[in-house]
Amino acid sequence: KNQVEQSPQSLIILEGKNCTLQCNYTVSPFSNLRWYKQDTGRGPVSLTIMTFSENTKSNGRYTATLDADTKQSSLHITASQLSDSASYICVGGGGNTPLVFGKGTRLSVIA
Amino acid sequence: DGGITQSPKYLFRKEGQNVTLSCEQNLNHDAMYWYRQDPGQGLRLIYYSQIVNDFQKGDIAEGYSVSREKKESFPLTVTSAQKNPTAFYLCASSRTIATEAFFGQGTRLTVV
Repeated sequence: KNQVEQSPQSLIILEGKNCTLQCNYTVSPFSNLRWYKQDTGRGPVSLTIMTFSENTKSNGRYTATLDADTKQSSLHITASQLSDSASYICVGGGGNTPLVFGKGTRLSVIA
Repeated sequence: DGGITQSPKYLFRKEGQNVTLSCEQNLNHDAMYWYRQDPGQGLRLIYYSQIVNDFQKGDIAEGYSVSREKKESFPLTVTSAQKNPTAFYLCASSRTIATEAFFGQGTRLTVV
């Protein structure tokens, strides 16, 4: 069964600190791995998309990594800001099949 | 202003009534999707459409219906057969099923 598991479920960090969110996926066929940011009560917004041949991709203070051999991905957030408080969702994509969503990691950045 | 628009943002209905949620996109995307999100849960796929006049059931299609008569529109009807319809509903679109998906801002449906 296709699935995406994320850890931790929730995380609290101090403003200015770095953090790393984890994602393990079992998606077949697999062609890409995505990270979305979802603010409370809003729709998700894409942060990064990586194909199976890419190892890393950055978007400002967000850096995603992908290890297609171990089926793991991570999202690293550098110098966190209060506005980073949101849910971060890992999503696996196949060639011609709908996306598989993880349950998300709820990040809270406090002053 | 390009994007994907869901309306209304909040919707209240009495139990037993059908209700239709609107989703419109002007991105010229072929694929459109409906997801349901419950507290603490991931997005679950209700229906998706890869092309006009065609759609497929997702993981939780029971109690829902859709139509895709126009490329830019993909309305979702929550029928009285849906046992627990109160949820946050998200519509998305993408150029194809394999490319980046863009989401609307969601409709929060409350059935009382």
